[in-house]
Amino acid sequence: QSALTQPPSASGSPGQSVTISCTGTSSDVGGYNYVSWYQQHPGKAPKVMIYEVSKRPSGVPDRFSGSKSGNTASLTVSGLQAEDEADYYCTSYTGSNNLYVVFGGGTKLTVL
Amino acid sequence: EVQLVESGGGLVQPGGSLRLSCAASGFTFSTYWMSWVRQAPGKGLAWVANIKQDGSEKYYVDSVKGRFTISRDNAKNSLYLQMNSLRAEDTAVYYCARTYYGTFEYWGQGTLVTVSS
Repeated sequence: QSALTQPPSASGSPGQSVTISCTGTSSDVGGYNYVSWYQQHPGKAPKVMIYEVSKRPSGVPDRFSGSKSGNTASLTVSGLQAEDEADYYCTSYTGSNNLYVVFGGGTKLTVL
Repeated sequence: EVQLVESGGGLVQPGGSLRLSCAASGFTFSTYWMSWVRQAPGKGLAWVANIKQDGSEKYYVDSVKGRFTISRDNAKNSLYLQMNSLRAEDTAVYYCARTYYGTFEYWGQGTLVTVSS
């Protein structure tokens, strides 16, 4: 499988909403409900924001939401805040032992 | 509190070897799959390997198969990655991560491996 496709950049003003897409195939995103989203600030380790398409770990603000339609998953950040500025990566389980999880290329979210 | 602390990174020449360690605490280590994920400088994330709770199943991305070995010691709450025949393209920050059904739930802070002459 190839990497999942994400837009390289996204932006929005404080208080606005922004949606980041993540496109795969029927062998990954479309085939399983194991899509996750990770936030990574510069020099820091990634942090899971959404798992199993739309579930939020405890402690993650409800401004973050996830969804999926067909082979495309989406992360929506509502009520943008300055601290949301970061890189965001999507992943999908693939069911393949040779590529357990495939990552998206990452999206740099800028809060204007 | 779940904590994962990697160690063992450093500068190594091409063809050399390095062993990374990840010390886990704050959870029952022996009940979780564990993974290694890497990030080349300025690049995205990539899954490297994972291992079942009892070590009976291990899986690798094709690019490291035959060169890297993942292992664990549940008595010591530790995860390892033995890296042999290192190449320049293996240069990356290596993260260990607690894994559950395709989700990397918790991550360590990472350890940098630089392969260069």
